[in-house]
Amino acid sequence: AAGVIQSPRHLIKEKRETATLKCYPIPRHDTVYWYQQGPGQDPQFLISFYEKMQSDKGSIPDRFSAQQFSDYHSELNMSSLELGDSALYFCASSLRQVYGYTFGSGTRLTVV
Amino acid sequence: QKEVEQNSGPLSVPEGAIASLNCTYSDRGSQSFFWYRQYSGKSPELIMFIYSNGDKEDGRFTAQLNKASQYVSLLIRDSQPSDSATYLCAVNRNYGGSQGNLIFGKGTKLSVKP
Repeated sequence: AAGVIQSPRHLIKEKRETATLKCYPIPRHDTVYWYQQGPGQDPQFLISFYEKMQSDKGSIPDRFSAQQFSDYHSELNMSSLELGDSALYFCASSLRQVYGYTFGSGTRLTVV
Repeated sequence: QKEVEQNSGPLSVPEGAIASLNCTYSDRGSQSFFWYRQYSGKSPELIMFIYSNGDKEDGRFTAQLNKASQYVSLLIRDSQPSDSATYLCAVNRNYGGSQGNLIFGKGTKLSVKP
C-alpha cells in the first residue's frame, strides 16, 4: 500500500540558511499535517491543510511557512534557521481525520 | 496543565506479562483517541483508535476509554521484547466538523525484558 513519502530523509543546514521539506500524502487523503519532534519530545503540531487550504495552525514559527499544491503534495519552508530547529519533521495525512493519521518516515533536520 | 498527560516511564515489564499504559486528557470536547507506537528515530505508527466508552480489542491490544473520567488506557497482553518502544496517546479535538488536529502526550517508554 502507498505510504506518506517525505523528502529528503536527512538534511544538514547552517544557521540562517533556508530549508524546504516535501511531503507526498497517501493518494485520496484530503488532509496533510506537519509535526516537529525534538529529541525526547512529543510531536508538536505545526500546521495542517484540508483540500489545499490551511485548516489549522499550531506552534509554527513565523520563519516557517507551508503550502499544499494542486497535486496535494505539501512543502514546509523554513528560513533563517536556528540551532533549535534541529529536529525530526513528520508529515502525516488522513482521510477524514477521525480515522487517525498515517505518518511519513520523517525528515531529520540538523542545523549546524 | 498539558492537554494530554502520560507517565513518561520507563515502564518495565517481563516478557509475557500485561503492560498497562495510561493517559488523561483535559478537554471534555475531545472526540476520538489514538494510541501510536514509536521506535527511536522512527515515525509514529497507529496501533488503535477508540471513540466510544468501554473497551476495544485488537489482537494483543485493548484500548479502554472512560470519558467521564477523561481517561484512556492501552493494555498489551503477552508483552514481547519487540513491543519495547514509546507509546504516544493522542486526542482529537474535532470541533464543528473541522478536521482538527491530534494533540499528543509526551509518551510512555515501555521496556519488555526477556
